Amino acid sequence: TQLLEQSPQFLSIQEGENLTVYCNSSSVFSSLQWYRQEPGEGPVLLVTVVTGGEVKKLKRLTFQFGDARKDSSLHITAAQPGDTGLYLCFSGNTPLVFGKGTRLSVIA
Amino acid sequence: DAGVIQSPRHEVTEMGQEVTLRCKPISGHNSLFWYRQTMMRGLELLIYFNNNVPIDDSGMPEDRFSAKMPNASFSTLKIQPSEPRDSAVYFCASIGYSGTYGKQFFGPGTRLTVL
Repeated sequence: TQLLEQSPQFLSIQEGENLTVYCNSSSVFSSLQWYRQEPGEGPVLLVTVVTGGEVKKLKRLTFQFGDARKDSSLHITAAQPGDTGLYLCFSGNTPLVFGKGTRLSVIA
Repeated sequence: DAGVIQSPRHEVTEMGQEVTLRCKPISGHNSLFWYRQTMMRGLELLIYFNNNVPIDDSGMPEDRFSAKMPNASFSTLKIQPSEPRDSAVYFCASIGYSGTYGKQFFGPGTRLTVL
């Protein structure tokens, strides 16, 4: 059983659509991080969420940390082909683990 | 800053051979992580160091795997002997802190193929 369950595993959408991906756990976290990984490269940090109920925005990306600090979501508005990649969540406390990710493909 | 540097970028070897992967973290970063990524298992933490000292190696799959960090600017991950199931992309990441929470800076990875 994965400590961090990400869903969906794969997502293919048209440019301009909105989408939400999820990172869920039965454990409580002091913080969660979201990374994006493009093919052939290492993951790059997008955001760190630390407070239950916190919402952070990064241009068209909106990140939310659940009130109980057990889950998080990433919403992308008006997706663009440049958003294509593997989106990973990472635990902020031990055990230090990544979810298996959501592989997003945005088609022009 | 050059970022995290890994070498080689690609390695193809035969089963039973020794493989050494190298990592140079970002200068000033005190923590270094080694990960392995496969489609089946995702990104798995193998071992991490703080100030050159191994803190948690519970992710190292077998005794065939070993990692060292002789100084703050260099780390190696060695597999001996290698097996086909070790084929994966191996990433090194160093940690920079802005306030309380760390940010992992990943290298470009080493793609290992064991035939």
